[in-house]
Amino acid sequence: GNSVTQMEGPVTLSEEAFLTINCTYTATGYPSLFWYVQYPGEGLQLLLKATKADDKGSNKGFEATYRKETTSFHLEKGSVQVSDSAVYFCALRRLTGGGNKLTFGTGTQLKVEL
Amino acid sequence: DTGVSQNPRHKITKRGQNVTFRCDPISEHNRLYWYRQTLGQGPEFLTYFQNEAQLEKSRLLSDRFSAERPKGSFSTLEIQRTEQGDSAMYLCASSLGDQGAVDFFGQGTRLTVV
Repeated sequence: GNSVTQMEGPVTLSEEAFLTINCTYTATGYPSLFWYVQYPGEGLQLLLKATKADDKGSNKGFEATYRKETTSFHLEKGSVQVSDSAVYFCALRRLTGGGNKLTFGTGTQLKVEL
Repeated sequence: DTGVSQNPRHKITKRGQNVTFRCDPISEHNRLYWYRQTLGQGPEFLTYFQNEAQLEKSRLLSDRFSAERPKGSFSTLEIQRTEQGDSAMYLCASSLGDQGAVDFFGQGTRLTVV
């Protein structure tokens, strides 16, 4: 079946540090890939997405590239801020039997300190 | 429209009682999903509606769980004879479009079974 594996957290960084959160997936066919973010006390919201191989999703300084050869979709940001502290979820979607549910990883908590 | 709305936000119930949650999706969205999220985990798919039709159910959805979406608008999720293991955050999401579509999530209903 489909699955997503994320690096475990928490990840603690100083402000302006470089961020990488690893995400690999297992799926047949060509899934769409997503990063969702959950800020404290808020609901999940889409951060970025990519729908085919070699696509790069980007938003708010975050980027991730859909790598089919390594089945990866790692999240990166060049300079994190305290306001980026949140839980980040990697997810995939593949049409199966008429449904198109999201399959999530376990989430990676990011803490950014001054 | 301000997004996906879920009610109640919190529910505490005694073991063995029945509970019902409501989700109001974004008005033009034809797809509606229910997920369950436990502490430290990513959301897990429960069930999916396209308009009023329930097209997919997870094996996580035992006989005690039932979901409806009458008239293809709001949806309800009922849990009968609640158990302590049902304690979780129940998330609703809605979307419109294809495999790359963005799901918009509500803030969830946190259920505590005591």
